[in-house]
Amino acid sequence: AQKVTQAQTEISVVEKEDVTLDCVYETRDTTYYLFWYKQPPSGELVFLIRRNSFDEQNEISGRYSWNFQKSTSSFNFTITASQVVDSAVYFCALTTDSWGKLQFGAGTQVVVTP
Amino acid sequence: GAGVSQTPSNKVTEKGKYVELRCDPISGHTALYWYRQSLGQGPEFLIYFQGTGAADDSGLPNDRFFAVRPEGSVSTLKIQRTERGDSAVYLCASSLNGELGYNEQFFGPGTRLTVL
Repeated sequence: AQKVTQAQTEISVVEKEDVTLDCVYETRDTTYYLFWYKQPPSGELVFLIRRNSFDEQNEISGRYSWNFQKSTSSFNFTITASQVVDSAVYFCALTTDSWGKLQFGAGTQVVVTP
Repeated sequence: GAGVSQTPSNKVTEKGKYVELRCDPISGHTALYWYRQSLGQGPEFLIYFQGTGAADDSGLPNDRFFAVRPEGSVSTLKIQRTERGDSAVYLCASSLNGELGYNEQFFGPGTRLTVL
């Protein structure tokens, strides 16, 4: 069985603060892919990043960065210098199927206030 | 180019009625997925199509739910004898090639179904 846990239900920050979203996953497969999606108030899920199980390199994209640690089965996401437009629900997801069926976590609501 | 579109955006129906939800994937995408998202939760997988065939329908909750993709493009999710517990946002996603699990899935805006 596989599982994705996002223990933080909601995080509130003031603009320009950094915010880190935790994601812990469980799987017995050695090959898998991890994703982060953003769901703004409009509702449409927006892809942010994909990482495969063989690539533990951290990644930075603008104000976003991701820390993948297989030793702790975690794939955490940090927003640096948060902005009001970052307010959304963020989902971590896992797939072990060759056809990409996604297992989502419950999501973390990020609220950024001016 | 156009993204994934879903119609209707909102559907209100009465318990026991039949509903159809439509998904238009991105042109050229062979893989199509349906997910269901209840309030405050992450999306849950329902069914996956590779081309015209349903390659994995393990997420369909019961036999009241059925989906088709007759020409390998547009898909329709059909729910018979709707129940109040079916109320949720139904999301459709497509990807270039479902046989490569790492392909990014592009999501549509969803259909919000409310069963009274």
